[in-house]
Amino acid sequence: AQSVTQLGSHVSVSEGALVLLRCNYSSSVPPYLFWYVQYPNQGLQLLLKYTTGATLVKGINGFEAEFKKSETSFHLTKPSAHMSDAAEYFCAVSDKTGANNLFFGTGTRLTVIP
Amino acid sequence: DTAVSQTPKYLVTQMGNDKSIKCEQNLGHDTMYWYKQDSKKFLKIMFSYNNKELIINETVPNRFSPKSPDKAHLNLHINSLELGDSAVYFCASSPTSGRYWVKGEAFFGQGTRLTVV
Repeated sequence: AQSVTQLGSHVSVSEGALVLLRCNYSSSVPPYLFWYVQYPNQGLQLLLKYTTGATLVKGINGFEAEFKKSETSFHLTKPSAHMSDAAEYFCAVSDKTGANNLFFGTGTRLTVIP
Repeated sequence: DTAVSQTPKYLVTQMGNDKSIKCEQNLGHDTMYWYKQDSKKFLKIMFSYNNKELIINETVPNRFSPKSPDKAHLNLHINSLELGDSAVYFCASSPTSGRYWVKGEAFFGQGTRLTVV
């Protein structure tokens, strides 16, 4: 069974500082990996995804994530936080061989301090 | 040109009532889902349909009944609403084939915030 752990339910950074949101997965076979963002009172929007190939993936709004198989991690980063990045971020996985649905982490709320 | 649209966006109702949430997608996807987001923001799948056929039915009270009249629509009907049903319900869709298809990748609607009083 798939499971996703996001360390830190709340992360605060200063505007212009590095953003690092952590995600670890548990799976016998590396799954497909996703980061979604949810702005207040909005739906979920895909930031980026990892399927195969290059382990560093770039997404929208300057975010990127690196798949590290040895660490079973898929941490999300952005070099310089903007106020507009304040949102809830969800790491999710899907099973390559199982059903066509996502398993989500518990989310990390990012606060950007001016 | 909204991709996945659900109505209503907000729904406030009394305990014991029956209510429905509608969802439509114009992406041509084969699979549609209902996800529930609880008060702690945790997201969990409730149901998925593929071409009108029920594929996933997680441990959800049978007061919740999805209905898919065609592959572009997946509605959620809830009977005898309880306080614990208060949550945000997200409809989503995904393809099941295609050159750029990634299993599980979903496109989400804006959510329906259900409040049971």
